[in-house]
Amino acid sequence: EIVMTQSPATLSVSPGDRATLSCRASQSIRTNLAWYQQKPGQAPRLLIYGASPRATGIPARFSGSGSETEFTLTISSLQSEDLAVYYCQQYNRWPFTFGGGTKVEVK
Amino acid sequence: QVQLVESGGGVVPPGRSLRLSCVASGFTFNIYGMHWVRQAPGKGLEWVAAIWYDGSDKQYVDSVKGRFSISRDNSKNTVYLQMNSLRPEDTAIYYCAKDRVRGDECFQHWGQGTLVTVSS
Repeated sequence: EIVMTQSPATLSVSPGDRATLSCRASQSIRTNLAWYQQKPGQAPRLLIYGASPRATGIPARFSGSGSETEFTLTISSLQSEDLAVYYCQQYNRWPFTFGGGTKVEVK
Repeated sequence: QVQLVESGGGVVPPGRSLRLSCVASGFTFNIYGMHWVRQAPGKGLEWVAAIWYDGSDKQYVDSVKGRFSISRDNSKNTVYLQMNSLRPEDTAIYYCAKDRVRGDECFQHWGQGTLVTVSS
C-alpha cells in the first residue's frame, strides 16, 4: 500500500497570505495525484487532478505541482471561504489512498 | 447535471449486514468506473472499493476484503455496496463517487453520503 503523508497537520494563515500544503508518497506515483477540499458537513470537492490541472470551476488561486513522490498545493491568496481540510489522494496503484489531511485555519 | 444519491445507511449491531445503494443521473453511467469512499466520524477519507464500468473488475481496500462486495446494475444506473460481518470500525459516512473521466480515477463528483453506524 502506498502511504500518503501530508504536512503540516494544521496550517494557520492570514487572509490574503499564501498557503503551501505538502503531500509525500511512500513510492513513485508519477503524477496520479489529486487534491480535495472538504468543509464541515460537506462531501469533498476536487480541486486538482493529475498533480497540476485545476478541476472545472476551481479558482486560479489554487495551483498544484510535483511528481513522483513530492507534491504541493498552493493557495496564492487565502480567502475566508478557503478555510477547510485539504486531502491528497494517489490513484496510481491499488488500493487508492488518501493523506491524513491538512486543516487550514485563520491565523 | 451529475447527481449521485446514496441510501441504505443505518444503525446495525456488529456481525450484521447492510446494503448501500447509489443511484446516478446526469451522465452516461455505463462508461464510468464507480467507487465507494468512507469517512469515520472526525477522521479522514478512506477509499473502500471500485468497480469497472462494465463490472468486469473490482478492487477493495484490505480491511474490507472478504466482507464487502461492490456491484452495479447499469440498467438501473445504480452501484451497490454489500457489507457483511460489520464491525464497529466500519462506522462511517459512505460516499459514492465516479471517475472524473473514463479511466481517470479521481473523483469530480460525489454523493451526499449515507451514515452507517455499527453498534450494539
